[in-house]
Amino acid sequence: EDKVVQSPLSLVVHEGDTVTLNCSYEVTNFRSLLWYKQEKKAPTFLFMLTSSGIEKKSGRLSSILDKKELFSILNITATQTGDSAVYLCAVRHYGSSNTGKLIFGQGTTLQVKP
Amino acid sequence: DVKVTQSSRYLVKRTGEKVFLECVQDMDHENMFWYRQDPGLGLRLIYFSYDVKMKEKGDIPEGYSVSREKKERFSLILESASTNQTSMYLCASSSQLEEQYFGPGTRLTVT
Repeated sequence: EDKVVQSPLSLVVHEGDTVTLNCSYEVTNFRSLLWYKQEKKAPTFLFMLTSSGIEKKSGRLSSILDKKELFSILNITATQTGDSAVYLCAVRHYGSSNTGKLIFGQGTTLQVKP
Repeated sequence: DVKVTQSSRYLVKRTGEKVFLECVQDMDHENMFWYRQDPGLGLRLIYFSYDVKMKEKGDIPEGYSVSREKKERFSLILESASTNQTSMYLCASSSQLEEQYFGPGTRLTVT
């Protein structure tokens, strides 16, 4: 059965800390891995990773994929209270209809304290 | 900017009622999706559609149906609402190889 597992499920840090969020997967016909940030509204897209070892970076956030070990990490440096959110990992795979469905992990809830 | 809109942000319905949730996207995307999101379970796919009038079951289709008569609009129907369908419902759309764009969500409470 295809699955995506995120860890930890929740995390509390203080402003300025660096955090690493993990996402492991077992999915047939893997195409890409996506990270989303969800505050109290719709998930917003952060990164899409398709190749191993190539870091994607946006400001204080970065992410990398390891297709051999089947995992990805999302790093946030110098955390701020505005980083408090649920971070969702999703894997795109191709089934019979070739639509690129996403399988989501449970999410990691990050709380950044002042 | 891609825009995905959902008909209601909050909805309260009674057990047994028929419920319609509507989603509209303005980017001419082929694919549209309906998820529900529950604490500790993440997003789970209910149904998706890859073309007008085409649909496919997701992981938890029981108790739901969908309709896609026009490319930009995808409706989720709860034929007879039950309390275990109380949840946050998220609609999304995408092109074949791009990320999915999400609507703001509808928080449905069934009493």
